Amino acid sequence: DTGVSQDPRHKITKRGQNVTFRCDPISEHNRLYWYRQTLGQGPEFLTYFQNEAQLEKSRLLSDRFSAERPKGSFSTLEIQRTEQGDSAMYLCASSAPLNTEAFFGQGTRLTVV
Amino acid sequence: GQQLNQSPQSMFIQEGEDVSMNCTSSSIFNTWLWYKQEPGEGPVLLIALYKAGELTSNGRLTAQFGITRKDSFLNISASIPSDVGIYFCAGSDQGAQKLVFGQGTRLTINP
Repeated sequence: DTGVSQDPRHKITKRGQNVTFRCDPISEHNRLYWYRQTLGQGPEFLTYFQNEAQLEKSRLLSDRFSAERPKGSFSTLEIQRTEQGDSAMYLCASSAPLNTEAFFGQGTRLTVV
Repeated sequence: GQQLNQSPQSMFIQEGEDVSMNCTSSSIFNTWLWYKQEPGEGPVLLIALYKAGELTSNGRLTAQFGITRKDSFLNISASIPSDVGIYFCAGSDQGAQKLVFGQGTRLTINP
């Protein structure tokens, strides 16, 4: 098992463009989380899935953000009409059933210019 | 909302010294986790704590779950250069799946 995998590692986009990130969790983990981290801060929760169901969304997740996990395996996070304030590291994590220990991927660093 | 206050924000130490950092919460948590993050990478889980008063070690790292369930600390003994990084505490309360993170402690080691 190679751990949580995120793609791409880096993304530079122009303001107003749409971007999509992918996360592949650890294979036996049924819970998948998205966090956002800005410089000098700890990660902030965005949303999480249990299998294919999206069970919680943070108020940080504006209507320009959408996350999916259609088959309960990989997940995508899409940001529409990107703004400069969206520039951050987007982290994906997964955890095993009934376990709070979350294992993180290497993140996708988004820069909006 | 829940907030975690982590201190100190940064530490500059000599190789071989012991390190201590702590985290306090405005509310009770039933799980405390400690992570380490290096530049450009995601956080790596170091230690997980599940019971008030629990003391857990992982090599040179030792962490404790505070009796009040509102705090936790992490100690690193005999620091080495590869300990450099940012250490984050994270907690979750009963029934919640999300983690709340502290602001991090940046550790710098002078050889």
